Amino acid sequence: AQSVTQPDIHITVSEGASLELRCNYSYGATPYLFWYVQSPGQGLQLLLKYFSGDTLVQGIKGFEAEFKRSQSSFNLRKPSVHWSDAAEYFCAVGNNAGNMLTFGGGTRLMVKP
Amino acid sequence: EAEVAQSPRYKITEKSQAVAFWCDPISGHATLYWYRQILGQGPELLVQFQDESVVDDSQLPKDRFSAERLKGVDSTLKIQPAELGDSAMYLCASSLEAGANEQYFGPGTRLTVT
Repeated sequence: AQSVTQPDIHITVSEGASLELRCNYSYGATPYLFWYVQSPGQGLQLLLKYFSGDTLVQGIKGFEAEFKRSQSSFNLRKPSVHWSDAAEYFCAVGNNAGNMLTFGGGTRLMVKP
Repeated sequence: EAEVAQSPRYKITEKSQAVAFWCDPISGHATLYWYRQILGQGPELLVQFQDESVVDDSQLPKDRFSAERLKGVDSTLKIQPAELGDSAMYLCASSLEAGANEQYFGPGTRLTVT
């Protein structure tokens, strides 16, 4: 069965600092990987996705993620965090059709001024 | 920009009552998903439709939950009777087709069972 672990429940960074959110997945074949962001009381918005090809994926809002098969990881990064990035971030893995998403427990990001 | 619509946004109900949520996906999207998100957790898939057919409902508690998408467009998720443990955010998502496509999420319905 597929699964996703996000080891950090909460992360606080200062505005302008760099950010890395960790995601580890378990899936028997080549995974389809996603990062979503959720603002309070809202639905989820897709930041980026990986299906194949270049292991460094660029997304919206200046985010990027790197797929590392050897580490079963898909960490999300941003070089300089803005106050508006404060939200909850979810990593998800899909089956070989790209659907049937399994989400991690989420990481809540707080940004200090 | 096209969006997934959900209503109501908030619902408070007493346990043992019936409750229903409605979702209108983005026009032309054949695949529709219902997720449940318990506070502090990630979303969990309840049911997936391809047009009007259920593709997967293995995680749907069928003794009390039902979902339909009669004309392959909008969808209704029903709980009867509601239990305290059903308090959660219910999210609807749609995608152009099942496969390696982005799922677009609606704003969700926050259910509180008292």
